[in-house]
Amino acid sequence: GAVVSQHPSWVICKSGTSVKIECRSLDFQATTMFWYRQFPKQSLMLMATSNEGSKATYEQGVEKDKFLINHASLTLSTLTVTSAHPEDSSFYICSALAQGGREAFFGQGTRLTVV
Amino acid sequence: DAKTTQPTSMDCAEGRAANLPCNHSTISGNEYVYWYRQIHSQGPQYIIHGLKNNETNEMASLIITEDRKSSTLILPHATLRDTAVYYCIVRAYTGNQFYFGTGTSLTVIP
Repeated sequence: GAVVSQHPSWVICKSGTSVKIECRSLDFQATTMFWYRQFPKQSLMLMATSNEGSKATYEQGVEKDKFLINHASLTLSTLTVTSAHPEDSSFYICSALAQGGREAFFGQGTRLTVV
Repeated sequence: DAKTTQPTSMDCAEGRAANLPCNHSTISGNEYVYWYRQIHSQGPQYIIHGLKNNETNEMASLIITEDRKSSTLILPHATLRDTAVYYCIVRAYTGNQFYFGTGTSLTVIP
């Protein structure tokens, strides 16, 4: 399958700081990227959908000013967690969908710990 | 999106076929059935998808009932590395989002 890479794999940050997570499609152009959050022993929760060159569409209950998403190119989307707090500690996962593609491919995830 | 119902957990003996059921009784005519799996602390891995015909690839087979209200993912010869949470998702091809339910935690036993 196609390759989606996330960076970093894990990050620890202090409360109040911002953290940026990158998601890259390595061997295809991703017109759409999705960002998910997963808490321990829970399923993936879709946070937002981003289309290249457009503003992201956020799911109900997700604060767009706290979780900034940029999808400036067909191979890169970024999620910035602003003013992170301990309750933002979670496993963040991106996935990418090619134009006309039927399968979404997922990154390996980023473990964020806010202390 | 249509909801799916899966058993919370299942066990399967190594080398035997693992049959994972999924109910999607409210599926619409334009919605596909997708299966992904997630091994602990990794991103989900695509397995297979189908609309109404049975599908097979190198990983698994997908059997969809004629009324499309349920499906079964079959791993023909389960190995220990198949231990994971398996998610059944229904999604319209023209709709972008993949919404994950609770999935089935499959444990392959030696």
